[in-house]
Formats: sequence, C-alpha cells, structure tokens
Amino acid sequence: DAGITQSPRYKITETGRQVTLMCHQTWSHSYMFWYRQDLGHGLRLIYYSAAADITDKGEVPDGYVVSRSKTENFPLTLESATRSQTSVYFCASSELDRGNQPQHFGDGTRLSIL
Amino acid sequence: AQSVTQLDSHVSVSEGTPVLLRCNYSSSYSPSLFWYVQHPNKGLQLLLKYTSAATLVKGINGFEAEFKKSETSFHLTKPSAHMSDAAEYFCVVSEDWASGSARQLTFGSGTQLTVLP
Repeated sequence: DAGITQSPRYKITETGRQVTLMCHQTWSHSYMFWYRQDLGHGLRLIYYSAAADITDKGEVPDGYVVSRSKTENFPLTLESATRSQTSVYFCASSELDRGNQPQHFGDGTRLSIL
Repeated sequence: AQSVTQLDSHVSVSEGTPVLLRCNYSSSYSPSLFWYVQHPNKGLQLLLKYTSAATLVKGINGFEAEFKKSETSFHLTKPSAHMSDAAEYFCVVSEDWASGSARQLTFGSGTQLTVLP
C-alpha cells in the first residue's frame, strides 16, 4: 500500500549508543520531514529535506543527523543517544513546499533511552 | 512569526452530543490552517484545511471548522460525537498559504477528546 512506513515502531536503547530510525515513502514526494513529539510541546521539526541530497535543519536539530541518498528514504540517526532524546518520532512527506500543503505522516517510532 | 493555541487540553463529551475543539492562532500574513487527528499509536491524519477560500471548511468524518479572521480562531466542530472520534486533535498553522513553506508549520499542543457512552 502507498504511504509512509517507519521502522522500528518501538526501540529501547542506552545512552551513548547510536540508533537509526528509518522512514520510507511510496508517493515519490519531494519533501520529507522528521518531527519529535513530546508532552506539552506538540510536534517540533528536527530536519527536513527538499530532495535527494538536500537537507536542512529545523527547530531542534542538535544531536541528530539525517541523510537522503534516495527520494523515498529519509533515515534519522542519533549518533550518541541521550535521555532527553526519549520521544516519539514522526516522519512526514509532502508533494510541494507550499504553506497550504498538508503533510502525510507515518505511524511513528517510540524511542526510549535508558 | 506564527503561533497557535489550543484552548483546552482535554474535552469530554457524551456520544451523540456536539463537539467543539477550540483553536486560536496568530499570523502576520495569510495563514493556512489545518486540523489533524491522532489515534493511539498512530500518525497524524489530516481532517481538513483552510487556505484562503471558503471560511467554512468541511472535512472527513463529519467534522468542519470555521475560519474567523476577526477573532483569529479556527474552531473544530462536529454535530454528533461518535465513540470512534476519541483521539487527540492538533490545530496547525502555516504562516502564508502562498509563499510559506511546508517546513514552517507550527503545531498546537493538542486536545484530547474523550467520548463517553
């Protein structure tokens, strides 16, 4: 089925470990986004990508790395996980980079860092 | 810069009664406004969007919202709640529907809707 798939859905790891969250979309949307969702903060943008090999920082990028070698994939890496990065992470995509464009979301990855 | 405030963190209604979820926004330009719904352990799903056309916007599952510029509000309503409507709802604003960017969305902190039998 077309859509956005995130993996894993749940992950537990320890501080200092590297962890990669995967995001795959089948719409061929140019724009992709990573958000984190924390109680009381709504969703905050971590990184976004306008196309393959084009990425840029969002509101809360520190401690995260992204890459986009193919249009359909947009992995997010925590190079050295910290407890403050415990959160639910959502990947999203949109066809155009316009203010009136809705975004399409995956089901999220719940990440716990011990 | 834009901002959005969801006035209630929790709303409880009985099944079959009306739903009102309140959202106020601030924007310097001509905003786009969205309502998304999030069911447990799921991503956000678009309910409806406003982008400078008709001020009364109809969405999926019987929801609608009215854009009121004078009150800077975009409240979400439904005439009759169903048990399946229980979820968290997010109001989202984009600074400018035409020149704004999809990466410049501001999300409200959410309203948890409980539907009582």
